[in-house]
Amino acid sequence: QVQLVQSGAEVKKPGASVKVSCKASGYTFTSYAIHWVRQAPGQRLEWMGWINAGNGNTKYSQKFQGRVTITRDTSASTAYMELSSLRSEDTAIYYCARLLVGRGAFDIWGRGTMVTVSS
Amino acid sequence: EIVLTQSPGTLSLSPGERASLSCRASQSVSSSYLAWYQQKPGQAPRLLIYGASSRATGIPDRFSGSGSGTDFTLTISRLEPEDFAVYYCQQYGSPPYTFGQGTKLEIK
Repeated sequence: QVQLVQSGAEVKKPGASVKVSCKASGYTFTSYAIHWVRQAPGQRLEWMGWINAGNGNTKYSQKFQGRVTITRDTSASTAYMELSSLRSEDTAIYYCARLLVGRGAFDIWGRGTMVTVSS
Repeated sequence: EIVLTQSPGTLSLSPGERASLSCRASQSVSSSYLAWYQQKPGQAPRLLIYGASSRATGIPDRFSGSGSGTDFTLTISRLEPEDFAVYYCQQYGSPPYTFGQGTKLEIK
């Protein structure tokens, strides 16, 4: 079945970086965009950026510009999100999600990766 | 940035009742790019409605979406026990692609 499988929980110190993976299966990876969305405790969902899995083009939210890098490995059908200069406010669940082509909505979501930033 | 404001914050209803959830945008959103999601504790969001009114694959017909411009509504015609969750609206018309703050639908 179509699914996105994310890497496991991470605990990082302030100032460090974290890289979360999102492995796709059950569909042609390069035919869809992958977006990253985070949810801090008790907060609304927050869009971070996306990658065109076919050509590798990316676009980031201005809020995270300069701190976030989204990449993909087509041979592994995997997308990655790296966030640097971590601070406590980055403690959140990070989700990858597939964009439903031409519909402006995310139809498949990973289960999420909890990232905790603590000294 | 388009701000989405959902109301009410919490809605207390009983199974079998009808629920209406509102999503208001700070600027006009193309109807093609307004979606609704359901999220249960410990789970990822699940797509319910896209294009303001189209049900996603496998979504029961008791869920319906409507609206245009800056005002959108998600309606659940007859609540089932599994419908009690948090619901989010989301716009994809203009980056950053923002979400509402959510409406918690709880059992009365």
